[in-house]
Amino acid sequence: GQQVMQIPQYQHVQEGEDFTTYCNSSTTLSNIQWYKQRPGGHPVFLIQLVKSGEVKKQKRLTFQFGEAKKNSSLHITATQTTDVGTYFCAGSNKYIFGTGTRLKVLA
Amino acid sequence: SAVISQKPSRDICQRGTSLTIQCQVDSQVTMMFWYRQQPGQSLTLIATANQGSEATYESGFVIDKFPISRPNLTFSTLTVSNMSPEDSSIYLCSVVGQPDQPQHFGDGTRLSIL
Repeated sequence: GQQVMQIPQYQHVQEGEDFTTYCNSSTTLSNIQWYKQRPGGHPVFLIQLVKSGEVKKQKRLTFQFGEAKKNSSLHITATQTTDVGTYFCAGSNKYIFGTGTRLKVLA
Repeated sequence: SAVISQKPSRDICQRGTSLTIQCQVDSQVTMMFWYRQQPGQSLTLIATANQGSEATYESGFVIDKFPISRPNLTFSTLTVSNMSPEDSSIYLCSVVGQPDQPQHFGDGTRLSIL
């Protein structure tokens, strides 16, 4: 079945440093969605990418969808303590979530 | 986005018993899903709740253990049957307004089995 892997599994950064998480699917995705889950909370939708090679920005967050539509990345510039949480990618083919990357930001 | 009410928010149950979790949406949605999330882990899709018909279960999940109902486009229930400590987890309901749109989640049900 479809598998969606994310790396790294964990990342600790100093506040102000950049952060990137990568998402890789075993199958081609029609689109990819990114979610953020704060500790103790539920996943909250961030963005959806649909087109091959698409790049979208939300303030300090940059999302990219690979040309083959099998991988994606999320890059955060100058992390803040409010960025703490687990970031998941998900494909809508089967609504399968990636393994997630847990981000800790040290003040 | 849709407002989702999930009940109960948490429960502590005895092994061998069953618990029904409810998910109510404030608007009609195309798709409703049930996930399980172990502490520190990703979300595992249990099943897609289909309106008026049997749910579609993912590999490793069966109807006898996790019966699901979806009588209309705004409501679904998940029952965790004959619970054991291995069923201790967070159970999440999610909805999708239209196909290929993002999911929106309820607050989850934190379930502990003694």
